[in-house]
Amino acid sequence: AQRVTQPEKLLSVFKGAPVELKCNYSYSGSPELFWYVQYSRQRLQLLLRHISRESIKGFTADLNKGETSFHLKKPFAQEEDSAMYYCALPSGGSEKLVFGKGTKLTVNP
Amino acid sequence: DTGVSQNPRHKITKRGQNVTFRCDPISEHNRLYWYRQTLGQGPEFLTYFQNEAQLEKSRLLSDRFSAERPKGSFSTLEIQRTEQGDSAMYLCASKGFSGNTIYFGEGSWLTVV
Repeated sequence: AQRVTQPEKLLSVFKGAPVELKCNYSYSGSPELFWYVQYSRQRLQLLLRHISRESIKGFTADLNKGETSFHLKKPFAQEEDSAMYYCALPSGGSEKLVFGKGTKLTVNP
Repeated sequence: DTGVSQNPRHKITKRGQNVTFRCDPISEHNRLYWYRQTLGQGPEFLTYFQNEAQLEKSRLLSDRFSAERPKGSFSTLEIQRTEQGDSAMYLCASKGFSGNTIYFGEGSWLTVV
């Protein structure tokens, strides 16, 4: 069964420091992976998907099939990046998204 | 705001009572999803509609739960004989026919006392 693991429940960095939020997955086949973000008092929203290979708000994520990872990275964290981040992947052949438990990122001034 | 709309936003109910949540998806989005989220967990899939047809249901959706989307537009999620374990955030989301992005609502908080 598809599974997403986000090993860090909490992550705290200082403004300007690099940040990496970890995501590991189990999936048979070629997965499509997503990062969702939820800012305080806002709805869950898509941050980026691996298939588009884009950078959103300075964040990038590379799919590493060998390590079954899809870590989210930003070279210089900003205070407005403080939020809950969820990694997700579709359950094969299904419309269902499987989410990790999330990582709460706090960027301190 | 033309995003996914959910109401009520908060509901406190006594154990054993029935509750119903409503979701209005983004206009013309034919796909609609319900998820549940408890504290410290990510969203967990409950069910999926394409137009008015309920095409997927999770095992989490016990027989006390029923979801409908009668005209392929808004959807309701009813929980009968609520239990304390039903306390959670119920999230609705929608996606367009040709889209890849799922848009979430703000959620409906349920507290069963």
